[in-house]
Amino acid sequence: AQKVTQAQTEISVVEKEDVTLDCVYETRDTTYYLFWYKQPPSGELVFLIRRNSFDEQNEISGRYSWNFQKSTSSFNFTITASQVVDSAVYFCALSVYSSASKIIFGSGTRLSIRP
Amino acid sequence: DTGVSQDPRHKITKRGQNVTFRCDPISEHNRLYWYRQTLGQGPEFLTYFQNEAQLEKSRLLSDRFSAERPKGSFSTLEIQRTEQGDSAMYLCASSLSDSNQPQHFGDGTRLSIL
Repeated sequence: AQKVTQAQTEISVVEKEDVTLDCVYETRDTTYYLFWYKQPPSGELVFLIRRNSFDEQNEISGRYSWNFQKSTSSFNFTITASQVVDSAVYFCALSVYSSASKIIFGSGTRLSIRP
Repeated sequence: DTGVSQDPRHKITKRGQNVTFRCDPISEHNRLYWYRQTLGQGPEFLTYFQNEAQLEKSRLLSDRFSAERPKGSFSTLEIQRTEQGDSAMYLCASSLSDSNQPQHFGDGTRLSIL
């Protein structure tokens, strides 16, 4: 069975601070994909990143960076110099190659950036 | 706007009524997915279509739920004899058929059962 755990239910930081959102996943499949989605108050899920299980290279996109470590089954997300517009619920998610139609989401981390 | 479109945005109905939601995927996407999201939780997979064929259904999809995609374009999700527990956000997503492609989500339909 597959599972995604986001232990941080809510995080609140002051603007310009760096913040890391943790994600731990479980799967027995050797081929899988990991995702992060952002859900602002408007409700739409916004795709941020997808990594496949064979690519452990960390990725940086502007103020966003992702740290994928298979050894700890983690796929953490860091926002550098946070801004108020980053306030949202962030979901980590997993899909396995054998059932790539289905994305399994974590319960989300609500991030609040205070001005 | 060429994203995934869902209608209505919000539906309020009395328990026992039937409701139907519509999803229009991104035009070139042949895969379409339905998810349900309850308050404070992540989305849960319900079902997906490859063109007009419904290829997978979750155990969450009880016999009161039915989804169709008759022409391989838009899809409808119907809930019959609604119950309080059906109150949730119903999300639609679409993607290209390559399993390596990400799913793009619509704004969702929020269902409230009185």
